[in-house]
Amino acid sequence: GENVEQHPSTLSVQEGDSAVIKCTYSDSASNYFPWYKQELGKRPQLIIDIRSNVGEKKDQRIAVTLNKTAKHFSLHITETQPEDSAVYFCAARLGGGADGLTFGKGTHLIIQP
Amino acid sequence: EAGVAQSPRYKIIEKRQSVAFWCNPISGHATLYWYQQILGQGPKLLIQFQNNGVVDDSQLPKDRFSAERLKGVDSTLKIQPAKLEDSAVYLCASSVGVYQETQYFGPGTRLLVL
Repeated sequence: GENVEQHPSTLSVQEGDSAVIKCTYSDSASNYFPWYKQELGKRPQLIIDIRSNVGEKKDQRIAVTLNKTAKHFSLHITETQPEDSAVYFCAARLGGGADGLTFGKGTHLIIQP
Repeated sequence: EAGVAQSPRYKIIEKRQSVAFWCNPISGHATLYWYQQILGQGPKLLIQFQNNGVVDDSQLPKDRFSAERLKGVDSTLKIQPAKLEDSAVYLCASSVGVYQETQYFGPGTRLLVL
């Protein structure tokens, strides 16, 4: 079926370095791609999103890139800080319509001091 | 602005028992979603409402799960009878409209089935 693949499942980086998380999706009609951050025991929080008519979006230390041809999108976090440690989920609105989100399995980002 | 509210926060039941979860979306949000998040996985959509109508329930196990949003505001999700594999966090989310993509999540109900 339609799905979203996310890699890596765990990512450990030194504080101050950059982190990159990648996702691929199967449905070329997908049109909306949000990223959520989830701290242990808490709700998912939207950190950035991108729509299919845009190739890149940036918000301070966070950026997302989208390659529609290759059907993949990536989250980039620069100058990582301890508070960036969390599980990050990519998601896609598959089908291009009014559907709910399909999520990846998550990446556990660990910022080493 | 108040966020999405859910109750209860935690629930422990035995298999074959019934359980119900409640969600109150952000005021004015027409679209409401229920997701199931099993430990170590991403949320999985169970059902989507637009006002009080169902938009998508293709992944809802209808033999045991049911959901309603009678007045187009609050929603309840019920499991009857529960199975061990239903142990998960049940997240409610809402958005302004079905084509207004940003979804805001509630704190979730953590269900443990023994």
